[in-house]
Amino acid sequence: NAGVTQTPKFQVLKTGQSMTLQCAQDMNHEYMSWYRQDPGMGLRLIHYSVGAGITDQGEVPNGYNVSRSTTEDFPLRLLSAAPSQTSVYFCASRRGLTGELFFGEGSRLTVL
Amino acid sequence: AQKITQTQPGMFVQEKEAVTLDCTYDTSDPSYGLFWYKQPSSGEMIFLIYQGSYDQQNATEGRYSLNFQKARKSANLVISASQLGDSAMYFCAMREAGTNAGKSTFGDGTTLTVKP
Repeated sequence: NAGVTQTPKFQVLKTGQSMTLQCAQDMNHEYMSWYRQDPGMGLRLIHYSVGAGITDQGEVPNGYNVSRSTTEDFPLRLLSAAPSQTSVYFCASRRGLTGELFFGEGSRLTVL
Repeated sequence: AQKITQTQPGMFVQEKEAVTLDCTYDTSDPSYGLFWYKQPSSGEMIFLIYQGSYDQQNATEGRYSLNFQKARKSANLVISASQLGDSAMYFCAMREAGTNAGKSTFGDGTTLTVKP
């Protein structure tokens, strides 16, 4: 079972560049979300989706864009990368609105 | 506003002893869920245990138990018989219902070090 798959695992960007972090899950989960984790801190919610075609903002949405065209995929787009977006990004999914989150392995992004 | 508070940035415990990691939360929603996750140095997030707000008994999963005190809004994780492999960062998280349905809020974590 693949679970939640994130790509790439590592990425270095220059300020102003754009990129997309990919997230795919094969568990038919309705709920998907993106978090960022800064050093020594917890996870902060960027965007989430409760189903295909439905997305909403989390705690720290500025500078990020998402879409959910299928149940399986939930890409996160950085529109114009800034050094403040240097972080580890986690994609997570859950069946329905309850239950535990299933996480991807994380994507480490460095913006120079 | 921070809704999950973990007041212990770091904790040490001797191997084979029990340890309690503190977590307090804030919500006005009567329906919510509380979770603990483990993050080893390798970076992945591992689900440990879940407690629902309406559950009458404290949750247990093997060596993990959750000391749920609803009136005090605390959900402490108890690890019994600590092992070296328990050294990791531990996060408390809350999932609310209502208008925040589905969102999960995380605390800043506690780094646990198990000493041999």
